[in-house]
Parts: sequence; C-alpha cells; structure tokens
Amino acid sequence: QVELQESGPRQVRTSQTLSLTCTVSGGSISGTTHYWSWIRQPAGKGLEWIGRVYYSGATDYNHSLKSRVTISVDTSANQFSLKLRSVTAADTAVYYCARLDYYGAGTSWGQGTLVTVSS
Amino acid sequence: SYVLTQPPSVSVAPGETARLTCGGDNVGSRSVHWFQQKSGQAPILVISYDSDRPSGIPERFSGSNSGNTATLTIRRVEVGDEADYYCQVWDGSSDHVVFGGGTKLTVL
Repeated sequence: QVELQESGPRQVRTSQTLSLTCTVSGGSISGTTHYWSWIRQPAGKGLEWIGRVYYSGATDYNHSLKSRVTISVDTSANQFSLKLRSVTAADTAVYYCARLDYYGAGTSWGQGTLVTVSS
Repeated sequence: SYVLTQPPSVSVAPGETARLTCGGDNVGSRSVHWFQQKSGQAPILVISYDSDRPSGIPERFSGSNSGNTATLTIRRVEVGDEADYYCQVWDGSSDHVVFGGGTKLTVL
C-alpha cells in the first residue's frame, strides 16, 4: 500500500516561495505507470490541479500557475517537491500530493497540509 | 481550457438513489473519474474510467458516461455517503487534469 506524506512550512510570507515535499513510502517513485501530482484546495472551495511530474523529470503544469510553479522529483529519496513562487493570500490552501495515472485516476493521496500565506 | 460542470448540491433521503451529474463538451469521449471527499479528509477515488469501482468501494456506487454528461449513481444512499463529490478528466489538448466544481451530497 503506497502512502504519501506532505511536509514543509505551514506559514509563508507574501511574495515568498512556498515549498513542499511529498515523501512516498511502500512503493517506488520510479514506477512507469504513475504520475506524481500536486492538488490544492482553498477553504470551502473545490480541488485545483497544480501539476505533475513523471519519474523521468518530465512535467505538466496548470497553465494558470505555470509561470510560478516548479515540480521536481528526487528518485533517490523517493520524494517529489513543489515550489510556488511569489505567493499571495490567494495561494492559502490545503495542498495534497497524490499518485495518479496518466488520465488522472488514483487511489493514493496524502492527508493534505494547510499552508497559510500572510504578510 | 476544458470545463466540467457539476450542480452545487444534491439532496436525497436515506435509502433512495442519488444521481450526480458532470457536464462537459463531448465528455463521453473522455474517461471520467469520480472522487468522494468527506469533511476534513483527503479525496477518495470511488469510480475510475467512467464505471470501474476501485477495491473497497461498495457496489452501490456506479458510473456512466455518454454524450455531454457523466453520471455517478449511488443506490441505497446512507448517511455516511454525505460528502462532496468531484468529477475529473484528463484534457489532452492542454495537458491538464481538470476537476469539476464539485457537488455537495446531503442525505436528509
């Protein structure tokens, strides 16, 4: 059973960079059938896909966030990471990491971590 | 970019059947996945590829997809089914995972 766990600062200052890491256990991040995604959810709102990374390092990003986002993978540590630059209060949300297949289906999600952006 | 439209809320009595819809342009040509999210919890996949149930999901949950509408059907609804439900597709034209806005299922 693959498990995912988000980690990183829970508070970020406005205009700084939000950085989160997702640690994968119970399975290898180097599997060829899965993509490692970040999804976020502002309080009381719906799910927003941020982007994904393949074990090779190939990425896809939400076009609305693409200019500020970098998602990377560290296969040696079995982790993948999210960096979101120039954050504002609108980036305050619960951030989830998830293992999804190419078409977006997936049963393995992290528990989510609330990141608050404030000045 | 591709848009999925879900009704904000659906209410149903225990034991009845709930039908949650997900509208999109020719969504029937895409594979639709459904996620259940209970308050304060991470989403759980309840239907993948239009109609497949992952292990552990009750048979009361089923899905269909045709034309411009995908539907998640929950038979014999229980109080424990009360949650937000999101449909999702992969949009190959933009290389995006797309979520619908979600439907809040209330069990009266």
